[in-house]
Amino acid sequence: NAGVMQNPRHLVRRRGQEARLRCSPMKGHSHVYWYRQLPEEGLKFMVYLQKENIIDESGMPKERFSAEFPKEGPSILRIQQVVRGDSAAYFCASSPGNGANYGYTFGSGTRLTVV
Amino acid sequence: AQRVTQPEKLLSVFKGAPVELKCNYSYSGSPELFWYVQYSRQRLQLLLRHISRESIKGFTADLNKGETSFHLKKPFAQEEDSAMYYCALSGGAGNNRKLIWGLGTSLAVNP
Repeated sequence: NAGVMQNPRHLVRRRGQEARLRCSPMKGHSHVYWYRQLPEEGLKFMVYLQKENIIDESGMPKERFSAEFPKEGPSILRIQQVVRGDSAAYFCASSPGNGANYGYTFGSGTRLTVV
Repeated sequence: AQRVTQPEKLLSVFKGAPVELKCNYSYSGSPELFWYVQYSRQRLQLLLRHISRESIKGFTADLNKGETSFHLKKPFAQEEDSAMYYCALSGGAGNNRKLIWGLGTSLAVNP
């Protein structure tokens, strides 16, 4: 089991471009969480998804950000028209989602730099 | 408001000394609390969860509801304990396990 895979590890985008961050959950995990860590700040929840459903997007900026977790394939966090303030580390975590008091498994993160 | 506070950004101790990483929380309800650790160049990984009342790598953490604290303790620190430690609180409902995080404490264990 390869664990939670995030790619790319590093992503550089110019202002105004689109950024696509991918997260493949652990085998058997159907729940995905995205977090963002801005420089000198803690992790902040962005969105919680199950297959084909967005369950909680209360942490997502209202504009330019979107997330999906299709029936097949990885979860995608998409940032349109990136700005310098989007530069951060984006972490994905997955869980089996059975409602128990578990901790979930994290990916290595994608470090986005907007130039 | 739900909040996790780790007052120390950096904690430096000598090998063999006791260590305590502080975590206080604010939460209306029954909290679920976790400690995560990130070693250099590795991914975040779960260290402890209060519900399990376990000891991992010599670390323990007790939930004190009166003081709203979940401090992480180890009686004798080792150099390999040097890492970033994050306290987190589960703030979602049902199967939603979104976490609210502290800013983290960097622990340096000196030889």
